[in-house]
Amino acid sequence: SAVISQKPSRDICQRGTSLTIQCQVDSQVTMMFWYRQQPGQSLTLIATANQGSEATYESGFVIDKFPISRPNLTFSTLTVSNMSPEDSSIYLCSVRTPSNEKLFFGSGTQLSVL
Amino acid sequence: KQEVTQIPAALSVPEGENLVLNCSFTDSAIYNLQWFRQDPGKGLTSLLLIQSSQREQTSGRLNASLDKSSGRSTLYIAASQPGDSATYLCAPSKGGSNYKLTFGKGTLLTVNP
Repeated sequence: SAVISQKPSRDICQRGTSLTIQCQVDSQVTMMFWYRQQPGQSLTLIATANQGSEATYESGFVIDKFPISRPNLTFSTLTVSNMSPEDSSIYLCSVRTPSNEKLFFGSGTQLSVL
Repeated sequence: KQEVTQIPAALSVPEGENLVLNCSFTDSAIYNLQWFRQDPGKGLTSLLLIQSSQREQTSGRLNASLDKSSGRSTLYIAASQPGDSATYLCAPSKGGSNYKLTFGKGTLLTVNP
């Protein structure tokens, strides 16, 4: 299994600002994933972050809006840039450990944009 | 594009009842399927993972079945307890190099004491 620490747990931000969400894992993992869960909706994959390479973004998500860093095998950040109220969502990081095909999730970041 | 539907959207039952949550998916070419539990403020917890070659998986009071050819999975919860109250999500995966999961909207389960 993997224990994931995600910060902040929640934040209220002003329109036009940026927020960086951190995800720390207690073991080395190759693949880390960032998801968004809009109110009343299912989880949607934003991007896959692999250490040592550029993140791979899903359709509808772009690097300028959601830049991702992956400096090592235990840490990643997701930035939500130039925020608008439509960005109000829960953002979750997840990992897949080498020995286990299950996905493990952080506790999420509840973001509200005013 | 994979689409996942979960029925019912919400379910309220008295404690002790056995219940079934349903999940259907449009693309049957999956690698595996996971069932998750989501509690407010606590992220997601993986409950069961079924490989595409398997028919079912069991963990305690939970039993998940998979009918890949018909694009269906069910999660059976025996002798439900108030602590089972949560949102249950199913997520099939096509596997491969990026291991992308597609989630349903979930079933909100409330177990009343």
